[in-house]
Amino acid sequence: DTGVSQNPRHKITKRGQNVTFRCDPISEHNRLYWYRQTLGQGPEFLTYFQNEAQLEKSRLLSDRFSAERPKGSFSTLEIQRTEQGDSAMYLCASSLTLSYGTDTQYFGPGTRLTVL
Amino acid sequence: AQKITQTQPGMFVQEKEAVTLDCTYDTSDQSYGLFWYKQPSSGEMIFLIYQGSYDEQNATEGRYSLNFQKARKSANLVISASQLGDSAMYFCAMREATGNQFYFGTGTSLTVIP
Repeated sequence: DTGVSQNPRHKITKRGQNVTFRCDPISEHNRLYWYRQTLGQGPEFLTYFQNEAQLEKSRLLSDRFSAERPKGSFSTLEIQRTEQGDSAMYLCASSLTLSYGTDTQYFGPGTRLTVL
Repeated sequence: AQKITQTQPGMFVQEKEAVTLDCTYDTSDQSYGLFWYKQPSSGEMIFLIYQGSYDEQNATEGRYSLNFQKARKSANLVISASQLGDSAMYFCAMREATGNQFYFGTGTSLTVIP
């Protein structure tokens, strides 16, 4: 039984560089979420996919951020022209839609980004 | 207004004792789900327990139970017989049936004292 996996686990980059993170959800899960978590805070919603469709994006998600989920399987989150304020833990979660609409999300281990 | 409020930044509990972590929520939806997650220092968010807004019984999962008081909009987590491995951050979260987001609180840091 495999849970949600994320790669890389840690990423250190210089300001202005582009970075890409990958998330592999639980195989039968149709929903995939990206969150950002900074120290001392709870996760903040970034974006959400149902299958391959990106259905919602937070206002937190600037134009430098883009996410994809081709074929409704794995997802990538790219940050262009990174800034020091992008330093955070990026969490991916997946869930299976239940009939009454409240589904449990299962999280991956996260990717910790440090922008120097 | 905050969707989820956790007013206890830090809590201490003696090993083998019970502890209650507070959570209040704000929604105008009739259908919603409430969740508790544990986040150890390793960083992974671990699902603990779920309560649906229409569930009449309080949810229980092993040593975890959720004290759901709908009229007061509270969903407190009770951990019985605390263990050293329970030391972690605990987050309360809510998902409204009409939306796609999960809303998280700021968390409570629990330390279990031997």
